[in-house]
Amino acid sequence: EVQLVQSGAEVKKPGESLKISCKGSGYSFTTHWIAWVRQMPGKGLEWMGIIYPGDSDTRYSPSFQGQVTISADKSITTAYLQWSSLKASDTAMYYCARPDGGLGFWGQGTLVTVSS
Amino acid sequence: QAVVTQEPSLTVSPGGTVTLTCGSSTGAVTSGHYPCWFQQKPGQAPRTLIFDTRNKHSWTPARFSGSLLGGKAALTLSGAQPEDEADYYCLLSYSGARVFGGGTKLTVL
Repeated sequence: EVQLVQSGAEVKKPGESLKISCKGSGYSFTTHWIAWVRQMPGKGLEWMGIIYPGDSDTRYSPSFQGQVTISADKSITTAYLQWSSLKASDTAMYYCARPDGGLGFWGQGTLVTVSS
Repeated sequence: QAVVTQEPSLTVSPGGTVTLTCGSSTGAVTSGHYPCWFQQKPGQAPRTLIFDTRNKHSWTPARFSGSLLGGKAALTLSGAQPEDEADYYCLLSYSGARVFGGGTKLTVL
């Protein structure tokens, strides 16, 4: 069974760094892309970017280029989304998903709250 | 970056039929945009209903169908059920870059 399990909710202060994770199991992690999707409170879905864990080929949406870093560690079948300096506007639910059959498999989401 | 447009809200009667559409600021939506449709209910992660214009997953109820209509991608719900009340999003691919539409809030009333 394909599963994407995300790390737990985070509460951070502006300026802090953060790295959230998405662990894939039940499939060949290195041969399937992983995408990250943002959903701000009460708002729609936003495509952030995508990574191919096999060679770490990473592509960012223009809106997120330079704002976040997407990475993966294939040895532990885990993809990451990280910020070096959080802003209040980064408060959102973040989903990882596998883009096969649309986005056929989704993580449960990680809620990130940034507040002073 | 392209802008993908959807109806902000629609209402359908139980048992009725409704069509949601997904347009692109770059012109007509084609199969080459690999249109996908997602359903999201409150407090839940989205799930894919339709991919590559009209393909369904095993979990997609038969009452949902995808197509291209008048230069847009379309999601048609035939025989709406109360449990279909949700937010619906489309996703288009632009030579690898992908953009979500703003979503349609569907009310079954």
